[in-house]
Amino acid sequence: GAGVSQSPRYKVAKRGQDVALRCDPISGHVSLFWYQQALGQGPEFLTYFQNEAQLDKSGLPSDRFFAERPEGSVSTLKIQRTQQEDSAVYLCASSLTLETYNEQFFGPGTRLTVL
Amino acid sequence: GQNIDQPTEMTATEGAIVQINCTYQTSGFNGLFWYQQHAGEAPTFLSYNVLDGLEEKGRFSSFLSRSKGYSYLLLKELQMKDSASYLCAVYQGGKLIFGQGTELSVKP
Repeated sequence: GAGVSQSPRYKVAKRGQDVALRCDPISGHVSLFWYQQALGQGPEFLTYFQNEAQLDKSGLPSDRFFAERPEGSVSTLKIQRTQQEDSAVYLCASSLTLETYNEQFFGPGTRLTVL
Repeated sequence: GQNIDQPTEMTATEGAIVQINCTYQTSGFNGLFWYQQHAGEAPTFLSYNVLDGLEEKGRFSSFLSRSKGYSYLLLKELQMKDSASYLCAVYQGGKLIFGQGTELSVKP
């Protein structure tokens, strides 16, 4: 596709439910990033991959959060036993490589609301 | 620790010039990005600075001083469509560390 796509665009979950958020990066992009953006705040880093390898997961807020990219393209962010504080927009971004000058292209995000 | 500061809100008039400042204190630095984000949409890339000085791109310019931990984004000939959030982000070790964003309102 032309850009980064994410699905679903909106997700409402009851507290305690598990959710899975999908990201399709730009074709050929090696690096993939997940960010969490609370209302009125800048995005906060969660984790990133180079191909299928998860190189940094230091931003994941708890062990309820898990991300994978098994074939080095599509990625899934899974949140188990969702809590109200998990409500946020989850942004995915991809870049050609991890080189600094390669800008990250962002998807439209998934807005998660936990009731 | 990581600290990136930018003003929360700014207001400017259509046709005018506005400067959005960003100061940073981070444990590593590999470049500074500015992104624009309209409400409910994805952030889009505006500029990238890794060396000191001014980078100009049409109506938008970005400046960096690494010794001062300071950057600014300059927007000229403001248009109503420039009303958005402007995000300053330091690139560090493979990831972007964002400020909270500056909400710019352009008035007629």
